[in-house]
Amino acid sequence: RKEVEQDPGPFNVPEGATVAFNCTYSNSASQSFFWYRQDCRKEPKLLMSVYSSGNEDGRFTAQLNRASQYISLLIRDSKLSDSATYLCVVNLGPQKVTFGTGTKLQVIP
Amino acid sequence: DVKVTQSSRYLVKRTGEKVFLECVQDMDHENMFWYRQDPGLGLRLIYFSYDVKMKEKGDIPEGYSVSREKKERFSLILESASTNQTSMYLCASQGTGDQPQHFGDGTRLSIL
Repeated sequence: RKEVEQDPGPFNVPEGATVAFNCTYSNSASQSFFWYRQDCRKEPKLLMSVYSSGNEDGRFTAQLNRASQYISLLIRDSKLSDSATYLCVVNLGPQKVTFGTGTKLQVIP
Repeated sequence: DVKVTQSSRYLVKRTGEKVFLECVQDMDHENMFWYRQDPGLGLRLIYFSYDVKMKEKGDIPEGYSVSREKKERFSLILESASTNQTSMYLCASQGTGDQPQHFGDGTRLSIL
């Protein structure tokens, strides 16, 4: 089993839709979690951290389920500009960071 | 904001050349990383460093070496470039181990 797994997509959704991505991780000792956004041919950029209690930033909501070992990202009211690849990241501890391979989102007019 | 600067956005080199990729961060971060990213393979860790003069191999260190003489600078060296090292190279820095990494703009390296 891979350390971090994501559905590669693509997820094709209309503008205004709500879309959710999941990311599963294998090591129950994982300590911190993040979502990154990566545009085509650009570097990954931090979108948001994921906290145990769940957290929201505008249209984006991130949640952590330690019991089932997954994190999720929910995007409400999708915009064309949300089209990108979303990477989940799991930190096991110092110097042990694992990136998922990403989920591609395409928002359609 | 964290600023991670990579020396070149695009680079073209020939097979057999020694290639240097430079990365500088301005946040006094302890940890720095070099990745390569290829279509369908995601980010793969080449080397990382958790302090000056300290380095650890990542998942794919073969054909690469690194240097960290100063805290803010982490260099990736391709000892003898080969065509299979054509890729996007990304440098990242990180404060403590539970913080997110911050990436430079990336270097698109082509080996002819």
